[in-house]
Parts: sequence; structure tokens; C-alpha cells
Amino acid sequence: QITLKESGPTLVKPTQTLTLTCTFSGFSLSTSGVGVGWIRQPPGKALEWLALIFWDGDKRYGPSLKNRLTITGDTSKNQAVLTLTNLDPVDTGTYYCVHRRWGYVDSGDHYPQSWFDAWGQGTRVTVSS
Amino acid sequence: DIHMTQSPSSLSASLGDRVTITCRASQSIRKYLNWYQQKPGKAPNLLIYGASNLQSGVPSRFSGSGSGTDFALTIGSLQPEDFASYFCQQSYSYPYTFGQGTKLEI
Repeated sequence: QITLKESGPTLVKPTQTLTLTCTFSGFSLSTSGVGVGWIRQPPGKALEWLALIFWDGDKRYGPSLKNRLTITGDTSKNQAVLTLTNLDPVDTGTYYCVHRRWGYVDSGDHYPQSWFDAWGQGTRVTVSS
Repeated sequence: DIHMTQSPSSLSASLGDRVTITCRASQSIRKYLNWYQQKPGKAPNLLIYGASNLQSGVPSRFSGSGSGTDFALTIGSLQPEDFASYFCQQSYSYPYTFGQGTKLEI
């Protein structure tokens, strides 16, 4: 059974740096094909994909925050860490850690599909002075 | 970026109704489309992956269809626990993007 849990501060000031930790179990980030990511949701709004880190060390970032985001993984601790710099009140929201599963699903797939089959409970972050 | 547009944004229905939520991509995404359900105060939960594949443990009244730019999530007979928000998400190309959501209300 895959579980993920986010941890980090609930209140941060503008211009500060946010560091969130995702601690997971039921899989290893060193296993081929595994990916762990972060998705956030401002209050009452839609989901926004932020970043992914893969078993081979590859990383992908959403372009809107790319210059402010860093994702790292620690296979020995079963953790993935998200760092977001220069916080602004618009960064307020719930941040979710997710497990990415992938595979060839349809006969027409040119490359594997990806889906988020396990989510952490989320951690609510408020950016305010 | 691929823009995902869901319709309607909100929907009122009754127990036992059959409802359909649609999702349109700004370009073809073949079948690289997933659906999630989110209840208030909870994390989203995967319902459908690859446009039409039911995630393990999800009731069979949920089904997905479509390819290219137009997709649909259908709930066969609404149950009380189905009243929630639903999001589509494409994994055809980075950045992965979500629809704005559809809130299903009684």
C-alpha cells in the first residue's frame, strides 16, 4: 500500500522560502519508473501541477514557477522535498505530494502514459505577513 | 501549454441520475487523459486513467470515453457519495495541466 504524507510550515511570510517534505512508503524512488511529484490548489480553485522527480534523477517543473522551484529526492529516507523561494500571498494553498504511475495503456500510445494514483492528505500553507 | 476546459463548471443532479462531464483539450492529447474526484477538504482521488481505464477500487458506475481533444466522464447512477468536484488532467506533454473542475451538487 502506497502512502504519502506532507510536512512543513503552515504560515510563512512573503519573500521567505518554503520547504515541504513528502515522506512516503510502499515504494522506492530508486525503483525504475517511479515518480514523485507536487501539486497545489489555491483555496476554492483548480489543481496546478508543480514538479516531478523520477527514479533516474530526472526532474520536471511547471513553467509558471520554474525559476522558484526545486525538487529533490532522498532515497535513503523515502522522501521528496519541494523548495519554493520568494513566496507571495498568491502561493497560499494546499500542497499535495503524489505518486506517479506510468505505463502503456492504449495500443496507440507512442510513449507511456502517467497518472497520479496516490495522494498525500495535503498540507495547507498560508503566505501572509 | 495544453489548456484543458471542463463543462459545465457546476451541475445539479438527483440521486439515480446519469450525468456526463466533458473535458476539451486545446490540442490533441490522444488518450493521455485522467479523471479525479475530490470531496471537500480531501485530496483528489484517481477515477479513470488513459481516458477510459477504471482505477482499481472505483465503482463501475464511473466510466470515461474520448480521444483526441474531446473526453467525457459519465456516472451511471448517482449515489450520495458522488457529489463532489471532478477534474480532468492531461499527461500528453509537460507541463501537465488540469481542467478548472466541475462541482456536482445535489
